[in-house]
Amino acid sequence: NAGVMQNPRHLVRRRGQEARLRCSPMKGHSHVYWYRQLPEEGLKFMVYLQKENIIDESGMPKERFSAEFPKEGPSILRIQQVVRGDSAAYFCASSPRGPDTQYFGPGTRLTVL
Amino acid sequence: AQSVTQLDSQVPVFEEAPVELRCNYSSSVSVYLFWYVQYPNQGLQLLLKYLSGSTLVESINGFEAEFNKSQTSFHLRKPSVHISDTAEYFCAVSVGPDKLIFGTGTRLQVFP
Repeated sequence: NAGVMQNPRHLVRRRGQEARLRCSPMKGHSHVYWYRQLPEEGLKFMVYLQKENIIDESGMPKERFSAEFPKEGPSILRIQQVVRGDSAAYFCASSPRGPDTQYFGPGTRLTVL
Repeated sequence: AQSVTQLDSQVPVFEEAPVELRCNYSSSVSVYLFWYVQYPNQGLQLLLKYLSGSTLVESINGFEAEFNKSQTSFHLRKPSVHISDTAEYFCAVSVGPDKLIFGTGTRLQVFP
């Protein structure tokens, strides 16, 4: 059973461009979580999704950030008009039934020039 | 609201010495507690977790943590560390099928 997959592993964008980060959960997992890790900090929750539904987006910045988890295909975290402060590692986790069994992907490291 | 405090940002220790990484949490309701380990440029791996039952939980690689409700702590311990234990360790809490709240992490550096 493959683990949580994220791509790309590294992403470089210039200010004002769009960043799309993908997360494929483990087989059979219908819960997906996105976290952001700024340099020298812990992980901060961003959004919790189940198939086709956003359950909790209390950690998402109000503007430029969006997330989806369609019926088919990976979950996508989209950042529009990136700024230097968006540079961070973005981690996706999946679970079959909630955070007591959350499994993390390797992360996408976003660098904004 | 819940919060997690990891009191030590860095813990240097010599190989084969014991180590304790401290974690305190704040919550007005019952919580689940976790320790994750992150090796350089990798994702987080679950080390151990407390959901209910015995307050002492163990991992397969010799770490253990004890849930202390009165002190709201979940400290991680290992009696004898290896060089390969060098990593960042994160304590986290959750209150249900929702987000994890992480501490800021403790960098364990094991020296030969």
